[in-house]
Amino acid sequence: AQKVTQAQTEISVVEKEDVTLDCVYETRDTTYYLFWYKQPPSGELVFLIRRNSFDEQNEISGRYSWNFQKSTSSFNFTITASQVVDSAVYFCALSEARGNQFYFGTGTSLTVIP
Amino acid sequence: GAGVSQTPSNKVTEKGKYVELRCDPISGHTALYWYRQSLGQGPEFLIYFQGTGAADDSGLPNDRFFAVRPEGSVSTLKIQRTERGDSAVYLCASSYPGGGVETQYFGPGTRLLVL
Repeated sequence: AQKVTQAQTEISVVEKEDVTLDCVYETRDTTYYLFWYKQPPSGELVFLIRRNSFDEQNEISGRYSWNFQKSTSSFNFTITASQVVDSAVYFCALSEARGNQFYFGTGTSLTVIP
Repeated sequence: GAGVSQTPSNKVTEKGKYVELRCDPISGHTALYWYRQSLGQGPEFLIYFQGTGAADDSGLPNDRFFAVRPEGSVSTLKIQRTERGDSAVYLCASSYPGGGVETQYFGPGTRLLVL
């Protein structure tokens, strides 16, 4: 079974629009960690954020914000006032405390149109 | 400081050949990971090293794949008798040992094409 589901395969928005990327995860562990990575056309995965399962506070970093809801097993990512440089594939990942591997979703390809 | 580096950036080989992919982790990172990313997919775990030893190799698809990290720093992923299905981007990541799950920092990957 897929541990991380990113249902949105591709999203296109016009510059300055807000966009939310969805991530739903599945785990039986009570302690786990969630991550978002950005993969621009160059291919390198860039770390964006890490969240622990026991910290449900939402986080904002500039134009980026994350909404973590354990009740719905979701960890959604919102970009406010999108820019062309935000165009990339975004991956959500899960790591369970009893292991070290990351389980990645299939990614959401975001295109910001100028 | 320098990030994770991987060489070569691209590798084209013929079916049946042997290839080696190299990863140089961030200095001071004792944990090292290999992932494989097929087109349109997320990275899939292959193997994890803590120091010199492979702590988890459950993701290696078969015995054609092998990885080493003899001195606890640079790692080499080795693929024998390559098949066309091995074509993918091979990503390496490293993390700082913190006693728990640590953020993994990724290299640019090696794009392997098996003809």
